[in-house]
Amino acid sequence: EDQVTQSPEALRLQEGESSSLNCSYTVSGLRGLFWYRQDPGKGPEFLFTLYSAGEEKEKERLKATLTKKESFLHITAPKPEDSATYLCAAVSGGSYIPTFGRGTSLIVHP
Amino acid sequence: NAGVTQTPKFRILKIGQSMTLQCAQDMNHNYMYWYRQDPGMGLKLIYYSVGAGITDKGEVPNGYNVSRSTTEDFPLRLELAAPSQTSVYFCASSSDRTDTQYFGPGTRLTVL
Repeated sequence: EDQVTQSPEALRLQEGESSSLNCSYTVSGLRGLFWYRQDPGKGPEFLFTLYSAGEEKEKERLKATLTKKESFLHITAPKPEDSATYLCAAVSGGSYIPTFGRGTSLIVHP
Repeated sequence: NAGVTQTPKFRILKIGQSMTLQCAQDMNHNYMYWYRQDPGMGLKLIYYSVGAGITDKGEVPNGYNVSRSTTEDFPLRLELAAPSQTSVYFCASSSDRTDTQYFGPGTRLTVL
């Protein structure tokens, strides 16, 4: 059974305090690892797609990396507007149905 | 482009009532999905479609039905609503099954 586990469940940071969010996955034949941002009361918004171990992608203060077992979302010098829930999803080659983690709720205090 | 649109935004149903959640996309995407999201939980796939006339069950299909008569629309039908169906429902679309999913704003449904 495909599984995606995100940690921590919640993270509080001071503005400028860098940190990382973890997404561990167990899927049969990874076809894609996705990161989304979700603001309260809104639908998830796409951030990154990673397809193979060693791949990295960056966008402003965010950087996503991928290994054979997990993905990290690194947040460098976060700002209060980075506060949101970050969701990770893995698509397996077996079912092609995405499996989502429960998300990490990030709060950045000014 | 409007992207993915969903109606209604909010709805309160009584137990046993039925309703249809509407979803439309204007990106000419073949793949469309329905998810539910409960507090503190991830997104659970209800149904998905790989093209007009083709639908398949996801992880939690019981109590729901879907149809896909056009590329643009993918309505979700709730028959005999139950309190366990209280949730936020998201529709999404993608151009390919391993491609980025674009989500709608969601429908918050309460069944009392």
